[in-house]
Parts: sequence; structure tokens; C-alpha cells
Amino acid sequence: GENVEQHPSTLSVQEGDSAVIKCTYSDSASNYFPWYKQELGKRPQLIIDIRSNVGEKKDQRIAVTLNKTAKHFSLHITETQPEDSAVYFCAASTQANNDMRFGAGTRLTVKP
Amino acid sequence: DAGVIQSPRHEVTEMGQEVTLRCKPISGHNSLFWYRQTMMRGLELLIYFNNNVPIDDSGMPEDRFSAKMPNASFSTLKIQPSEPRDSAVYFCASTRTGFEQYFGPGTRLTVT
Repeated sequence: GENVEQHPSTLSVQEGDSAVIKCTYSDSASNYFPWYKQELGKRPQLIIDIRSNVGEKKDQRIAVTLNKTAKHFSLHITETQPEDSAVYFCAASTQANNDMRFGAGTRLTVKP
Repeated sequence: DAGVIQSPRHEVTEMGQEVTLRCKPISGHNSLFWYRQTMMRGLELLIYFNNNVPIDDSGMPEDRFSAKMPNASFSTLKIQPSEPRDSAVYFCASTRTGFEQYFGPGTRLTVT
């Protein structure tokens, strides 16, 4: 089955700096790669996703890149703000199977 | 839309007792997922259903865990007998498109 690895486990940045979180996956059949943000005590919520037919997607301050050959994808947050502080999870799945597997999560702290 | 509904939100029980967690997916969604989240193990997929049929239960930790989906609007996750190591937050999620999953608020289970 799919195995997703995520790095780093913790990340601390100064407000205004950029943050990058990286994930690798094992199943070449995976074609959907979402990123979820989970604030303390709350549910994971989708912030951005990318499908295997594109290499990059941007939404304001966040962007995701995908390298299918190398089987890795990354989340980039620019101009970080204290409200970006949360745990971020990457995931990978195949639409056919719905078998989404999550990375271990990255705790991002943005210092004001 | 009320979103994914889970009950109870908090459950405290003694070791050996039966625990039943409930989930109502978003209307029109045809896939439902049960996850367990702990600090040690992160977010784990326990089981998922497509059109009320269990597809993959390889994440269910032991025979003490069972899940059912008798109809499109209701699912249960049962633990019998419960053990302290089952203490975790249990999330239910649903999807229609086979891509974005919408999470419920979670049930925080404490087994003493």
C-alpha cells in the first residue's frame, strides 16, 4: 500500500519568512495529493490540493509542487503569519481506491 | 449543509466497556472514512466505505474494532472491549468526488 513520509516534523519561522514542507510517496499509482491544516483541537481542513496532471498550483500565499518522477511534493507558504501556526498534513491517494494515506504531520510555528 | 456530524464529541469510559462512535456523512457523499489520531501514531486510516460497502479495513488495529454502515447516512465504529491504548481522537470523513475529504469534528475518547 501507499506510504507517505513528511519532513520536517517541526518547523519554526519568523513572521514574514517562507516555510517549506516536503513529502514523498511510494505508490506510483497515486494521483491526488492534498494538504490539510489542523489547528489545535480542531479537525483537519483542506487548504490546497494537486492532481497528477499538473506540476504546480498556487492559491495566494500557498503553493504546492509535484514531481511525479521523483514521487515527491511540497507545500510552500510565503509571507507567513502567526495564524499560519498549525499542524500541516500531506496525503496521497488514488481516486479509484479512495485509500488516502497521510504523512505524520509538520508542526509549524510562526513567531511574531 | 451541516457538514459531517459525529457523536459523542467526548467519551470517557472504563477499560473493558463497549464504546460506540457515530457518524453522519454529508448528504450525497458516497464514501466514508474512519480515522484515529494520536500523538504517537499521527492520523491513521482505520477503514473506509464506498456506497456503504467496506472496501479496506486493513487499518483496523484488532478484532476489538468493528465498523458498520447500514445506510448512506449513518456509520458506527465500535470498540469492544475498550482498552486505555484506544484513547485517541476518532475522526469520520466523507467525500463525493473521490478527492477532497470533509472531516467531522471528531470524538475524543478516553479509556481509563
